[in-house]
Amino acid sequence: GDSVTQMEGPVTLSEEAFLTINCTYTATGYPSLFWYVQYPGEGLQLLLKATKADDKGSNKGFEATYRKETTSFHLEKGSVQVSDSAVYFCAHLKNQGGKLIFGQGTELSVKP
Amino acid sequence: GAVVSQHPSWVICKSGTSVKIECRSLDFQATTMFWYRQFPKQSLMLMATSNEGSKATYEQGVEKDKFLINHASLTLSTLTVTSAHPEDSSFYICRTGEGNEQYFGPGTRLTVT
Repeated sequence: GDSVTQMEGPVTLSEEAFLTINCTYTATGYPSLFWYVQYPGEGLQLLLKATKADDKGSNKGFEATYRKETTSFHLEKGSVQVSDSAVYFCAHLKNQGGKLIFGQGTELSVKP
Repeated sequence: GAVVSQHPSWVICKSGTSVKIECRSLDFQATTMFWYRQFPKQSLMLMATSNEGSKATYEQGVEKDKFLINHASLTLSTLTVTSAHPEDSSFYICRTGEGNEQYFGPGTRLTVT
Protein backbone atom coordinates (compact mmCIF):
# COMPACT_ATOMS: atom_id res chain seq x y z
CA GLY A 1 0.00 0.00 0.00
CA ASP A 2 0.89 3.66 -0.10
CA SER A 3 3.44 4.78 2.45
CA VAL A 4 6.05 7.39 3.31
CA THR A 5 9.36 6.60 4.97
CA GLN A 6 11.58 9.23 6.59
CA MET A 7 15.00 8.95 8.08
CA GLU A 8 14.90 8.34 11.77
CA GLY A 9 15.61 11.06 14.24
CA PRO A 10 16.43 12.77 16.32
CA VAL A 11 18.88 14.71 14.19
CA THR A 12 21.16 17.02 16.11
CA LEU A 13 23.13 19.69 14.28
CA SER A 14 25.14 22.74 15.12
CA GLU A 15 23.94 26.12 13.93
CA GLU A 16 24.87 26.85 10.29
CA ALA A 17 25.30 23.15 9.47
CA PHE A 18 23.85 21.59 6.34
CA LEU A 19 20.64 19.65 6.77
CA THR A 20 19.29 16.70 4.84
CA ILE A 21 16.24 14.72 5.89
CA ASN A 22 15.55 11.80 3.60
CA CYS A 23 12.04 10.92 2.49
CA THR A 24 10.93 8.18 0.13
CA TYR A 25 7.43 7.16 -0.79
CA THR A 26 5.48 4.36 -2.38
CA ALA A 27 2.34 5.27 -4.23
CA THR A 28 0.27 4.43 -7.24
CA GLY A 29 0.25 7.19 -9.80
CA TYR A 30 1.92 10.51 -9.23
CA PRO A 31 0.99 11.99 -5.88
CA SER A 32 1.71 15.51 -4.73
CA LEU A 33 4.43 15.68 -2.09
CA PHE A 34 4.65 17.88 0.98
CA TRP A 35 6.89 18.77 3.88
CA TYR A 36 5.23 19.97 7.06
CA VAL A 37 6.85 21.36 10.19
CA GLN A 38 5.52 21.07 13.72
CA TYR A 39 6.94 23.22 16.51
CA PRO A 40 6.57 21.99 20.09
CA GLY A 41 2.99 22.08 21.28
CA GLU A 42 1.65 23.39 17.98
CA GLY A 43 -0.19 22.14 14.92
CA LEU A 44 1.24 21.48 11.48
CA GLN A 45 2.47 24.18 9.14
CA LEU A 46 3.07 23.64 5.46
CA LEU A 47 6.75 24.15 4.72
CA LEU A 48 6.82 23.38 1.00
CA LYS A 49 5.27 21.21 -1.65
CA ALA A 50 5.78 19.85 -5.17
CA THR A 51 3.03 18.62 -7.40
CA LYS A 52 4.82 16.90 -10.26
CA ALA A 53 8.09 15.20 -11.11
CA ASP A 54 11.20 17.41 -11.10
CA ASP A 55 9.35 20.22 -9.35
CA LYS A 56 11.35 21.90 -6.61
CA GLY A 57 9.52 23.25 -3.58
CA SER A 58 11.25 25.92 -1.54
CA ASN A 59 10.50 28.10 1.45
CA LYS A 60 12.51 29.80 4.22
CA GLY A 61 15.77 28.38 2.87
CA PHE A 62 14.44 24.82 2.75
CA GLU A 63 14.26 22.94 -0.55
CA ALA A 64 13.05 19.58 -1.79
CA THR A 65 12.91 18.16 -5.31
CA TYR A 66 10.31 15.64 -6.48
CA ARG A 67 12.36 12.75 -7.88
CA LYS A 68 10.10 10.27 -9.60
CA GLU A 69 12.92 7.92 -10.60
CA THR A 70 13.98 7.41 -6.99
CA THR A 71 10.54 8.10 -5.46
CA SER A 72 12.15 10.57 -3.12
CA PHE A 73 11.54 14.06 -1.77
CA HIS A 74 14.52 14.81 0.45
CA LEU A 75 14.45 18.01 2.49
CA GLU A 76 17.59 20.19 2.52
CA LYS A 77 18.73 23.44 4.01
CA GLY A 78 22.14 24.93 3.57
CA SER A 79 22.51 26.57 6.97
CA VAL A 80 20.20 25.68 9.84
CA GLN A 81 19.31 27.97 12.71
CA VAL A 82 18.31 27.22 16.28
CA SER A 83 14.80 28.36 15.37
CA ASP A 84 14.55 25.46 12.88
CA SER A 85 14.37 23.00 15.77
CA ALA A 86 11.08 21.17 15.25
CA VAL A 87 9.62 17.93 13.93
CA TYR A 88 9.46 17.61 10.15
CA PHE A 89 6.90 15.43 8.39
CA CYS A 90 7.02 14.27 4.79
CA ALA A 91 3.65 13.44 3.24
CA HIS A 92 2.03 12.52 -0.02
CA LEU A 93 -1.48 13.25 -1.15
CA LYS A 94 -3.41 10.51 -2.84
CA ASN A 95 -5.13 11.87 -5.88
CA GLN A 96 -8.30 9.95 -5.23
CA GLY A 97 -10.07 10.53 -1.97
CA GLY A 98 -7.68 13.21 -0.78
CA LYS A 99 -5.93 11.11 1.87
CA LEU A 100 -2.68 12.59 3.09
CA ILE A 101 -0.18 9.88 4.04
CA PHE A 102 2.45 10.97 6.58
CA GLY A 103 5.90 9.71 7.33
CA GLN A 104 6.83 9.04 10.93
CA GLY A 105 8.39 12.47 11.44
CA THR A 106 11.99 13.49 12.04
CA GLU A 107 12.89 15.56 15.06
CA LEU A 108 15.55 18.17 14.39
CA SER A 109 17.48 19.82 17.19
CA VAL A 110 19.85 22.66 16.32
CA LYS A 111 22.39 23.67 18.94
CA PRO A 112 23.96 27.13 19.09
CA GLY B 1 -5.14 30.15 2.35
CA ALA B 2 -8.23 29.13 4.21
CA VAL B 3 -8.43 29.32 7.97
CA VAL B 4 -9.50 26.32 10.00
CA SER B 5 -10.12 26.70 13.71
CA GLN B 6 -10.56 24.12 16.43
CA HIS B 7 -12.26 24.46 19.76
CA PRO B 8 -11.25 23.89 22.42
CA SER B 9 -7.50 24.12 21.97
CA TRP B 10 -7.03 21.95 25.03
CA VAL B 11 -9.33 20.10 27.36
CA ILE B 12 -9.01 17.97 30.47
CA CYS B 13 -11.82 15.61 31.30
CA LYS B 14 -12.49 12.78 33.72
CA SER B 15 -12.50 9.18 32.64
CA GLY B 16 -15.93 8.06 31.48
CA THR B 17 -17.11 11.46 30.30
CA SER B 18 -17.57 12.62 26.71
CA VAL B 19 -15.78 15.46 24.98
CA LYS B 20 -16.77 17.29 21.81
CA ILE B 21 -14.18 18.91 19.58
CA GLU B 22 -15.29 21.41 16.95
CA CYS B 23 -13.53 22.09 13.69
CA ARG B 24 -14.65 25.16 11.78
CA SER B 25 -13.68 26.16 8.28
CA LEU B 26 -13.93 29.92 8.31
CA ASP B 27 -13.60 30.81 4.64
CA PHE B 28 -13.62 27.53 2.78
CA GLN B 29 -16.45 25.17 2.02
CA ALA B 30 -15.27 22.01 3.68
CA THR B 31 -16.97 19.29 1.68
CA THR B 32 -14.60 16.74 3.16
CA MET B 33 -13.00 16.74 6.60
CA PHE B 34 -10.26 14.44 7.81
CA TRP B 35 -9.67 13.76 11.50
CA TYR B 36 -6.26 12.72 12.82
CA ARG B 37 -4.83 11.93 16.19
CA GLN B 38 -1.23 12.23 17.20
CA PHE B 39 0.28 10.55 20.24
CA PRO B 40 3.42 12.09 21.77
CA LYS B 41 6.51 11.71 19.63
CA GLN B 42 4.50 9.99 16.89
CA SER B 43 3.13 10.83 13.49
CA LEU B 44 -0.40 11.79 12.59
CA MET B 45 -2.73 8.83 12.17
CA LEU B 46 -5.87 9.25 10.12
CA MET B 47 -8.93 8.31 12.13
CA ALA B 48 -11.79 9.02 9.77
CA THR B 49 -12.96 10.89 6.71
CA SER B 50 -16.29 12.67 6.67
CA ASN B 51 -18.25 14.21 3.84
CA GLU B 52 -20.80 16.90 4.50
CA GLY B 53 -24.19 15.36 5.03
CA SER B 54 -22.94 11.78 4.99
CA LYS B 55 -21.73 9.24 7.50
CA ALA B 56 -18.03 9.22 8.22
CA THR B 57 -15.70 6.52 6.95
CA TYR B 58 -13.44 5.19 9.68
CA GLU B 59 -9.95 3.77 9.32
CA GLN B 60 -9.29 0.23 10.37
CA GLY B 61 -9.01 -0.10 14.11
CA VAL B 62 -10.88 3.11 14.93
CA GLU B 63 -14.12 2.52 16.84
CA LYS B 64 -16.91 4.44 15.18
CA ASP B 65 -19.13 4.20 18.24
CA LYS B 66 -16.45 5.74 20.39
CA PHE B 67 -15.37 8.52 18.07
CA LEU B 68 -18.55 10.10 16.75
CA ILE B 69 -18.12 12.41 13.81
CA ASN B 70 -20.77 14.82 12.63
CA HIS B 71 -20.36 16.89 9.49
CA ALA B 72 -23.71 18.57 9.11
CA SER B 73 -22.56 21.72 7.32
CA LEU B 74 -19.81 22.94 5.04
CA THR B 75 -18.28 24.98 7.84
CA LEU B 76 -18.47 22.71 10.85
CA SER B 77 -17.39 19.18 11.67
CA THR B 78 -17.34 17.76 15.18
CA LEU B 79 -15.57 14.84 16.79
CA THR B 80 -17.03 13.51 20.02
CA VAL B 81 -14.93 11.18 22.11
CA THR B 82 -17.45 9.17 24.09
CA SER B 83 -16.69 7.52 27.42
CA ALA B 84 -13.14 8.80 27.28
CA HIS B 85 -10.32 6.87 28.91
CA PRO B 86 -6.73 7.87 29.66
CA GLU B 87 -5.53 6.04 26.55
CA ASP B 88 -7.61 8.47 24.46
CA SER B 89 -5.38 11.31 25.63
CA SER B 90 -3.90 12.66 22.45
CA PHE B 91 -3.63 15.61 20.08
CA TYR B 92 -6.57 15.68 17.67
CA ILE B 93 -6.24 17.57 14.39
CA CYS B 94 -8.73 18.22 11.60
CA ARG B 95 -7.89 18.89 7.97
CA THR B 96 -9.79 19.99 4.91
CA GLY B 97 -8.84 21.18 1.48
CA GLU B 98 -9.16 20.76 -2.23
CA GLY B 99 -6.56 19.44 -4.60
CA ASN B 100 -3.10 20.48 -3.46
CA GLU B 101 -4.41 23.13 -1.08
CA GLN B 102 -4.70 21.54 2.33
CA TYR B 103 -5.69 23.34 5.53
CA PHE B 104 -5.08 22.04 9.02
CA GLY B 105 -6.73 23.06 12.23
CA PRO B 106 -4.36 24.04 15.05
CA GLY B 107 -5.21 20.90 17.02
CA THR B 108 -6.93 20.05 20.30
CA ARG B 109 -4.98 18.50 23.13
CA LEU B 110 -7.16 16.11 25.10
CA THR B 111 -6.08 14.84 28.49
CA VAL B 112 -8.24 12.25 30.21
CA THR B 113 -7.62 11.81 33.92
